[in-house]
Amino acid sequence: QQQVKQSPQSLIVQKGGISIINCAYENTAFDYFPWYQQFPGKGPALLIAIRPDVSEKKEGRFTISFNKSAKQFSLHIMDSQPGDSATYFCAARDNAGNMLTFGGGTRLMVKP
Amino acid sequence: DTEVTQTPKHLVMGMTNKKSLKCEQHMGHRAMYWYKQKAKKPPELMFVYSYEKLSINESVPSRFSPECPNSSLLNLHLHALQPEDSALYLCASSQGTSYEQYFGPGTRLTVT
Repeated sequence: QQQVKQSPQSLIVQKGGISIINCAYENTAFDYFPWYQQFPGKGPALLIAIRPDVSEKKEGRFTISFNKSAKQFSLHIMDSQPGDSATYFCAARDNAGNMLTFGGGTRLMVKP
Repeated sequence: DTEVTQTPKHLVMGMTNKKSLKCEQHMGHRAMYWYKQKAKKPPELMFVYSYEKLSINESVPSRFSPECPNSSLLNLHLHALQPEDSALYLCASSQGTSYEQYFGPGTRLTVT
């Protein structure tokens, strides 16, 4: 059972555009939502994370929007650059605190 | 130092071999994790160590045997693996199980 659904599976954006990746969850016990960026042959790197007591968090060009009532959250990459081309995973952790549940991943390609 | 290191980077082994993967962190983290990642898929949790004790084993076959010799080191002993075990094996660590996880670069394992 996939507890975190991520879309789209792949995304192509022009340089300078906005990349948007969406995730939805069912488990109301989730209380921490990180996003990871993974380049080919590398491990995932923590990009940005949010807790459900805020609706938005921004770090540089990366913004997480969180809708608790809809149980959805999204990553926005502003002014997308070719160097942002990577696979992005959303994740969620429940309040028992032990395990991350990952979404299926989105392969982003930013065209020059 | 915010780095998780893993050795070797690549490993090719036969189905009758015994090998070990190693992971090290010097961030003072007390939780360490092993994940398995197949191509184009999210990481799958295998084991969690908290304060050097195994706290989660996600029904992993006994041909994978984890070991945590001390708070900085995590090993994964491999024996009699199958070709379908070929994957990227990721180590991660966190301050505790309720904190952000930081991933190493992974070991690319090929079982022939």
